[in-house]
Amino acid sequence: DADVTQTPRNRITKTGKRIMLECSQTKGHDRMYWYRQDPGLGLRLIYYSFDVKDINKGEISDGYSVSRQAQAKFSLSLESAIPNQTALYFCATSDEGRRGYTFGSGTRLTVV
Amino acid sequence: AQSVTQPDIHITVSEGASLELRCNYSYGATPYLFWYVQSPGQGLQLLLKYFSGDTLVQGIKGFEAEFKRSQSSFNLRKPSVHWSDAAEYFCAVVGSGGYQKVTFGTGTKLQVIP
Repeated sequence: DADVTQTPRNRITKTGKRIMLECSQTKGHDRMYWYRQDPGLGLRLIYYSFDVKDINKGEISDGYSVSRQAQAKFSLSLESAIPNQTALYFCATSDEGRRGYTFGSGTRLTVV
Repeated sequence: AQSVTQPDIHITVSEGASLELRCNYSYGATPYLFWYVQSPGQGLQLLLKYFSGDTLVQGIKGFEAEFKRSQSSFNLRKPSVHWSDAAEYFCAVVGSGGYQKVTFGTGTKLQVIP
């Protein structure tokens, strides 16, 4: 099994729908992150969490929310999806940022 | 504010040729620097990292990178490229504050031709 598992791998949804992307990890890391990748823009941080009770906004949190259900689980929600949220979404974990991240394989989300 | 610049959006090299991918960073103190590789349809995988000490660091898959403080650079190199190295490569800098903010470059896409 992968260290960081994201579901679904691909999703097409309609404008205005609520959608949840899920992430689970077996690394035992406390820190979890959600990033968005767009061509030419690299990775941008949406939300991060250092433990179950610690949730923080990243650079581009508007239109997104998260839930840290357990140390191993971190979900990203789009309350009302819009087309410019079409992107590749990555979950990542670390024990501390300076050791580097372990990434999931990504969720490709298309909002039509 | 910390930043990372990868000036080459796309690079094409022949299989067996040498490779150098450029990365320039901006950070007020000694940075923690990383290179990640993203193969098609995959997440990012850590290639190598620099914290301190020897400025030439070795990574996985035969890659190395050299930290040059005077040039604010952390270029990635490989002596002989294989077709399987075709991927997108991201440089990243990590701050030393409590949050240890990570800033990624915009990536360099490597194409390998026979």
